Amino acid sequence: DTAVSQTPKYLVTQMGNDKSIKCEQNLGHDTMYWYKQDSKKFLKIMFSYNNKELIINETVPNRFSPKSPDKAHLNLHINSLELGDSAVYFCASSQEDRGFYGYTFGSGTRLTVV
Amino acid sequence: QKEVEQDPGPLSVPEGAIVSLNCTYSNSAFQYFMWYRQYSRKGPELLMYTYSSGNKEDGRFTAQVDKSSKYISLFIRDSQPSDSATYLCAMSEFNAGNMLTFGGGTRLMVKP
Repeated sequence: DTAVSQTPKYLVTQMGNDKSIKCEQNLGHDTMYWYKQDSKKFLKIMFSYNNKELIINETVPNRFSPKSPDKAHLNLHINSLELGDSAVYFCASSQEDRGFYGYTFGSGTRLTVV
Repeated sequence: QKEVEQDPGPLSVPEGAIVSLNCTYSNSAFQYFMWYRQYSRKGPELLMYTYSSGNKEDGRFTAQVDKSSKYISLFIRDSQPSDSATYLCAMSEFNAGNMLTFGGGTRLMVKP
């Protein structure tokens, strides 16, 4: 039973299109995230939600808009896609344990903008 | 200069070798130090974490943190082909809650 699942796994789309990526976790975690992994494997945080509230919003173009309908779901909508948006997007969730947050990641969505 | 530096490799070793993976960092406020393993086309999975300085052992894996040198290591004993993956170090500040800063990952290949 997948703990953090995101769909779709692969997304190929043209510049200028709008697309969404969905994420769901069944771990009962309070916090969910979106991370972007570039071609050099660097993982960089984009957003973090705790119990449906936005708590981290890194310097990300406002074409990216997260939405958390409930604490088990965090979706990412991207408007007007650009070539530079091509990357792997990972959803993750975590629960605090004595100050430590151990993440569980999804398998990623490989976005290619052509 | 990035906050967390990690040699990208690839690092190629024969089966059974001892592997040493390392990260350096610049932010002295980091308190939690983690190692994630990422197989190809998969998400990272947490291997181990340590709080502040010291060592931690889990089976064939040992994590070391030297805060005075801002240097962390992961040692893998008796490496197996199934250890072939990218290893990412990650760090967080105690009061920054849940935000992790990752290194760029080291690709490890263990040859049978």
